[in-house]
Amino acid sequence: QSALTQPPSASGSPGQSVTISCTGTSSDVGGYNFVSWFQQHPGKAPKLMVYDVSKRPSGVPARFSGSKSGNTASLTISGLQAEDEADYYCSSYTGNNNLIFGGGTKLTVL
Amino acid sequence: QVQLQQWGAGLLKASETLSLTCAVYGGSFSAFTWNWIRQPPGEGLEWIGDIHHGGVTNFNPSLKSRVTMSVDTSKNQFSLRLNSVTAADTAVYYCARGGVFGGSYGELDYWGQGSLVTVSS
Repeated sequence: QSALTQPPSASGSPGQSVTISCTGTSSDVGGYNFVSWFQQHPGKAPKLMVYDVSKRPSGVPARFSGSKSGNTASLTISGLQAEDEADYYCSSYTGNNNLIFGGGTKLTVL
Repeated sequence: QVQLQQWGAGLLKASETLSLTCAVYGGSFSAFTWNWIRQPPGEGLEWIGDIHHGGVTNFNPSLKSRVTMSVDTSKNQFSLRLNSVTAADTAVYYCARGGVFGGSYGELDYWGQGSLVTVSS
């Protein structure tokens, strides 16, 4: 199965909002409410930012929010900060107890 | 506080078997699924598979024929073996805690530090 589709890059200025999309199919993103988003800084392990489409783990700022419409999930970061500059990956359950990731989006804070 | 610490051989030759172990400190070992994910240099994440403390496993179809996972509940550890490695298996390998068994999927909330495994031809 192919990776979920994410834009290779995104950017925004401090204080602005940016939205990163994650497009799959009805067999993964569209079929289940098990979409997660991860933030990864260079040389570091990924960090869970959103799970189950829109839930935030304890300690993740409310500036990070997730949503889904049809086969596309989105991560919105509002009030962009310099430390938000990182790679972002989405993941989705695909059925049959499998998980698939997106190709990743490099977020630049201008 | 949950911590995952992983270790294993970092340099392999083609056709050898990759072997990594991840120890879990803190939290419940039996309630969750335990995952392996890898990331080739400069590339994205790839889910390898997961295992529950009872030994139930699920694997990425693209790797299923070469992957074995096991669990040692007496030590709160789980392991990954990937046989017949090639240069394409060169990556940073991560262990991670998943959601509650039978519940959420993809809720990878605690990660190991990562292990770079290089396969030389």
